[in-house]
Amino acid sequence: AAGVIQSPRHLIKEKRETATLKCYPIPRHDTVYWYQQGPGQDPQFLISFYEKMQSDKGSIPDRFSAQQFSDYHSELNMSSLELGDSALYFCASSWGGPSTDTQYFGPGTRLTVL
Amino acid sequence: GDSVTQMEGPVTLSEEAFLTINCTYTATGYPSLFWYVQYPGEGLQLLLKATKADDKGSNKGFEATYRKETTSFHLEKGSVQVSDSAVYFCALKVDNAGGTSYGKLTFGQGTILTVHP
Repeated sequence: AAGVIQSPRHLIKEKRETATLKCYPIPRHDTVYWYQQGPGQDPQFLISFYEKMQSDKGSIPDRFSAQQFSDYHSELNMSSLELGDSALYFCASSWGGPSTDTQYFGPGTRLTVL
Repeated sequence: GDSVTQMEGPVTLSEEAFLTINCTYTATGYPSLFWYVQYPGEGLQLLLKATKADDKGSNKGFEATYRKETTSFHLEKGSVQVSDSAVYFCALKVDNAGGTSYGKLTFGQGTILTVHP
């Protein structure tokens, strides 16, 4: 079965650079969630979209922005990168809006900021 | 706000031992409860879930019962295998549209499980 696809899988950036992470949800899924997992930490919710509209917002820095496109894929844009942004970024998708129980996670993008 | 507390780890067991990982929660609204597993270098996989009080989620020999009276969702397995070695996360999601956490998952700190042959 098709799963959530994230690209790139690994990304290395310098401080103050920008990064764009992409997420392709499972076909027919209309809801996308972004989570950040720091080293040895639990995943923290960043932001979510349902039918291309932002549905919830968590602890996402102002330097980050995200959107969901007409084909339901989503991109997380990160600017003025800091060392503390080094983390594993997960995307998850579901069908039927945020009230749906099950979120399916992608393999994650590991971002390293030097 | 919503929160999840897991027993501190790591947990080290011998193969075929009994496993319990404790999880308690605090939530506004009516949460659904989940256990996710993360194998080394991989993403999160849903292990089991329960959406209302007294529900029991089960999968691959793992079980957890939604206990509203004790606000708990402890994970158990009768006989662990080496292949169960992973990090286990308890999580909740509030289904109350009027709450502050509509849709997002709130995770516990994770418990590292190592099973030796």
